[in-house]
Amino acid sequence: GQSLEQPSEVTAVEGAIVQINCTYQTSGFYGLSWYQQHDGGAPTFLSYNALDGLEETGRFSSFLSRSDSYGYLLLQELQMKDSASYFCAVRDGNFNKFYFGSGTKLNVKP
Amino acid sequence: EPEVTQTPSHQVTQMGQEVILRCVPISNHLYFYWYRQILGQKVEFLVSFYNNEISEKSEIFDDQFSVERPDGSNFTLKIRSTKLEDSAMYFCASRPRTSGSYEQYFGPGTRLTVT
Repeated sequence: GQSLEQPSEVTAVEGAIVQINCTYQTSGFYGLSWYQQHDGGAPTFLSYNALDGLEETGRFSSFLSRSDSYGYLLLQELQMKDSASYFCAVRDGNFNKFYFGSGTKLNVKP
Repeated sequence: EPEVTQTPSHQVTQMGQEVILRCVPISNHLYFYWYRQILGQKVEFLVSFYNNEISEKSEIFDDQFSVERPDGSNFTLKIRSTKLEDSAMYFCASRPRTSGSYEQYFGPGTRLTVT
């Protein structure tokens, strides 16, 4: 089966840096994605890692270590609008199936 | 900017009734998905669709569920006999073949309430 573990909630102040971790167990693994979801909204894509290392996109970076079955999303220069839920998702061994973690609710405080 | 659209935004139905949720994926996308999200919980994969057939489905996607792409634009999810536990937000998503990032574009969702 598949399992993805994320912290349920994280709180940080505006301007700070926060890291959201994701550990996974899958029967097959092809890549790790991150999605942002504001309350009442649809998930929106942030990043994807297929290979080990850090991918940077503006204020957001994502890291993957396949040997540790671990990844994280790093958000820098936090803004109030970053308050949302963040989900990691794995692409299963088969190319067209994706599993999402339970999500981490990020609260950004002034 | 192109976007995935879904109708209706909210559907209320009685237990045992059939519902059809509709989606219009982005026009040049080739892979289509349905997910559901029970309030406050994670996004759950239901089914993926490619080349006019189901490519993957989850354990949730049992005989009560079916998908169709009846024409070149619409992608539908049918639940034949709804149960109370089918109450959830249903998201449609699509992605292009050439996306090396496997980025999925989600629609705004249909909130299904089964009474």
